[in-house]
Amino acid sequence: AQSVTQLDSHVSVSEGTPVLLRCNYSSSYSPSLFWYVQHPNKGLQLLLKYTSAATLVKGINGFEAEFKKSETSFHLTKPSAHMSDAAEYFCVSLKNTGTASKLTFGTGTRLQVTL
Amino acid sequence: DTGVSQNPRHKITKRGQNVTFRCDPISEHNRLYWYRQTLGQGPEFLTYFQNEAQLEKSRLLSDRFSAERPKGSFSTLEIQRTEQGDSAMYLCASSLSGWRGKLRVDTQYFGPGTRLTVL
Repeated sequence: AQSVTQLDSHVSVSEGTPVLLRCNYSSSYSPSLFWYVQHPNKGLQLLLKYTSAATLVKGINGFEAEFKKSETSFHLTKPSAHMSDAAEYFCVSLKNTGTASKLTFGTGTRLQVTL
Repeated sequence: DTGVSQNPRHKITKRGQNVTFRCDPISEHNRLYWYRQTLGQGPEFLTYFQNEAQLEKSRLLSDRFSAERPKGSFSTLEIQRTEQGDSAMYLCASSLSGWRGKLRVDTQYFGPGTRLTVL
């Protein structure tokens, strides 16, 4: 089975400081991994995706994530938080069965950005 | 706007009533997915279509739930005899299945969701 574990349900940072949202995956093979962001009353937006082409993945809005096989991690980072980054973030794995591509979501990390 | 759209955005109904939601995917996308998200949780997979064929259903999808995609374009999700436990956000996503070089491309793009409240 392939799943993801988000280690923090809530993270609070000050504006201008770095962001680290942690995600570990469990899989018997190299997975496809994503980070999605969900702002209140808005749909899920894809931040970035890892599909084994490069271990450091750059996404939108200054976010990036590094796939570390030795640590089975796919943590999301941003050098400097902005107030508009406050949202719910989901680490997601993709299971391709040949006929379907089911996303399995983590439980989410709520990012709070304070002044 | 050429993204995924869902209607209605909000639905309040009484227990026992039937409700139907609609999803319009990105026009060239051949795959369409339904997910359910309850408060404080991540979305959970419900069902999936490749063109008009419903290829997989989660065990979460009881016999009160039915989904269709009759012409391989828009999809509807119907819940019969709603229960309070059906209250959730119902999300639709679409993707274009295919290959780019050696990489499989199947990124799912989500609509804004339909929030169902069953009283």
